[in-house]
Amino acid sequence: DAKTTQPNSMESNEEEPVHLPCNHSTISGTDYIHWYRQLPSQGPEYVIHGLTSNVNNRMASLAIAEDRKSSTLILHRATLRDAAVYYCITQGGSEKLVFGKGTKLTVNP
Amino acid sequence: GAGVSQSPSNKVTEKGKDVELRCDPISGHTALYWYRQRLGQGLEFLIYFQGNSAPDKSGLPSDRFSAERTGESVSTLTIQRTQQEDSAVYLCASSPLASVYGYTFGSGTRLTVV
Repeated sequence: DAKTTQPNSMESNEEEPVHLPCNHSTISGTDYIHWYRQLPSQGPEYVIHGLTSNVNNRMASLAIAEDRKSSTLILHRATLRDAAVYYCITQGGSEKLVFGKGTKLTVNP
Repeated sequence: GAGVSQSPSNKVTEKGKDVELRCDPISGHTALYWYRQRLGQGLEFLIYFQGNSAPDKSGLPSDRFSAERTGESVSTLTIQRTQQEDSAVYLCASSPLASVYGYTFGSGTRLTVV
């Protein structure tokens, strides 16, 4: 079973920032936090991952709470192409990657 | 190759036939996963290979499903005596090291059992 909790859906307007929350209250100290997204009719795509510190890459930013029990994926300026299902996953060691239901993001023009 | 390659991209088979799906991971990637995604559903874990360790087969839905991987290279997922409920997209992903690096997914094999 997935060890994270995400809202089922969120909406955003084009060109506006989007903050996608994720709760992982049972995370252990060595578990990484991964975010993937799946665009319609495509396989999942890696977005970003982190352990303790906030992370930035060309796609998004990941803000990790100090106690690591939650994190937020930040899309700085949503585009129509960002409409997808976003998955937050915690994984440690050699554990398998388990996907939950994710958050379906709708971007309005 | 530059990415994870899966073949065939589409497969239509008759109920009761066996099918073999292939995954070519990125060279050097030690971890490899198979997932199944039925239409409109989430990703369902099937099996996980990590280096030379025994594979985690806990997600295989029945004994009709099996998978093999030769070292750190190609993996094949075999479904015997296919049923209509096996119709789905089968996705493969690989990673150089579990949990530290992101996984790269292939485009999947769309299996239709008629």
